[in-house]
Amino acid sequence: DQQVKQNSPSLSVQEGRISILNCDYTNSMFDYFLWYKKYPAEGPTFLISISSIKDKNEDGRFTVFLNKSAKHLSLHIVPSQPGDSAVYFCAASAAGNMLTFGGGTRLMVKP
Amino acid sequence: NAGVTQTPKFQVLKTGQSMTLQCAQDMNHNSMYWYRQDPGMGLRLIYYSASEGTTDKGEVPNGYNVSRLNKREFSLRLESAAPSQTSVYFCASSEVSVETQYFGPGTRLLVL
Repeated sequence: DQQVKQNSPSLSVQEGRISILNCDYTNSMFDYFLWYKKYPAEGPTFLISISSIKDKNEDGRFTVFLNKSAKHLSLHIVPSQPGDSAVYFCAASAAGNMLTFGGGTRLMVKP
Repeated sequence: NAGVTQTPKFQVLKTGQSMTLQCAQDMNHNSMYWYRQDPGMGLRLIYYSASEGTTDKGEVPNGYNVSRLNKREFSLRLESAAPSQTSVYFCASSEVSVETQYFGPGTRLLVL
């Protein structure tokens, strides 16, 4: 059973609008959450992270929100740009143990 | 500074053949990882090496072996390839924390 789930396989957004990517998890021991971005034919690259002691972390156009009671996190991209078109993976770890990845969401930003 | 490199980029095998996927990093990282990526499944950890001289199983180790040759290199071996091992394989490395991992470009493997 997947402990980290991204229920939307794909998302299409107009350039300049907000992109919201969602991720749910089941393991209450997870204490660190990350988002990775992956372009075709490349490896994933780290995008942004959040510790379980916070509920929000912001880095430029990217903001991650964590709702521990709902076991839910989301990545907001504002404004969305065509270069943001990629597959986004959320991942989680517990006490510095191995990362568990979600299945990914393909984001398409239309010009 | 190449980061994490993987060879080959693409490989076709017949069922039962063996091969070794190579991975090297030039960032002096202690930890290295092998993942496989399948559609809808995200990345699943096959094996990892927390430091030179140690290796441990991940989530999906069956059918694979690994060797941490030195601090730079971590290889993944398929002794008898099966069609279920058709996947994209990623190697990654990290300094201390498992969280911020740096990934290679991947090896696409097709087993017929």
